[in-house]
Amino acid sequence: QSALTQPASVSGSPGQSITISCTGASSDVGSYNYVSWYQQHPGKAPKLMIFDVSSRPSGVSNRFSGSKSGNTASLTISGLQAEDEADYYCISYTRSNTLVFGGGTKLTVL
Amino acid sequence: QVQLVQSGAEVKKPGASVNISCKASGYTFTTYYIHWVRQAPGQGLEWMAIINPSGGGTSYAQSLQGRVSMTTDTSTGTVYMELTSLRSEDTAVYYCARGGRKQWLTNFDYWGQGTLVTVSS
Repeated sequence: QSALTQPASVSGSPGQSITISCTGASSDVGSYNYVSWYQQHPGKAPKLMIFDVSSRPSGVSNRFSGSKSGNTASLTISGLQAEDEADYYCISYTRSNTLVFGGGTKLTVL
Repeated sequence: QVQLVQSGAEVKKPGASVNISCKASGYTFTTYYIHWVRQAPGQGLEWMAIINPSGGGTSYAQSLQGRVSMTTDTSTGTVYMELTSLRSEDTAVYYCARGGRKQWLTNFDYWGQGTLVTVSS
């Protein structure tokens, strides 16, 4: 199972909005709503930011939102803040009864 | 409060095996699946495996089939993950994470602190 495709890096200025894409196939992202997004700061364990495509766990800022169209899921962060600078990973269930992560995206807040 | 506490760092030689434990507390152990995820130095996350603490059913990433296995001890709320025939590319931080009440949910809401496994001759 190949990793889901994410851009290696994205950047934005404080207050702006950015979107990170996560492209899979009809055998994973395109067929199931079991897609989540994780934020990881250096040296830390990942933190759940979005699950089931667009649901937000309690305690996660409403500046984070998720969506899906076809085989591509997206994470949008609005009102960028310095603390949002981190690596972001998507994950999806696959038809092969496994899970697969995206390659990760480094977000830089300029 | 929910906690997942993993065993300490390991240094192994190529060809050896490593066994990492993940002790869960603060919730009913048998009601949530446990996943293992690893991260090689400077690399991304890789999903490895899932276990149902109630019954012990497992599924593994195809890339690790035959080298990884998991067991649970419901009396202590602990999951054990063994990786055999270690290679240098298995050098990584290994995380356990609590999944959902249903098997393939991807919302890992609690994570262990990570266990660094270094494979070196």
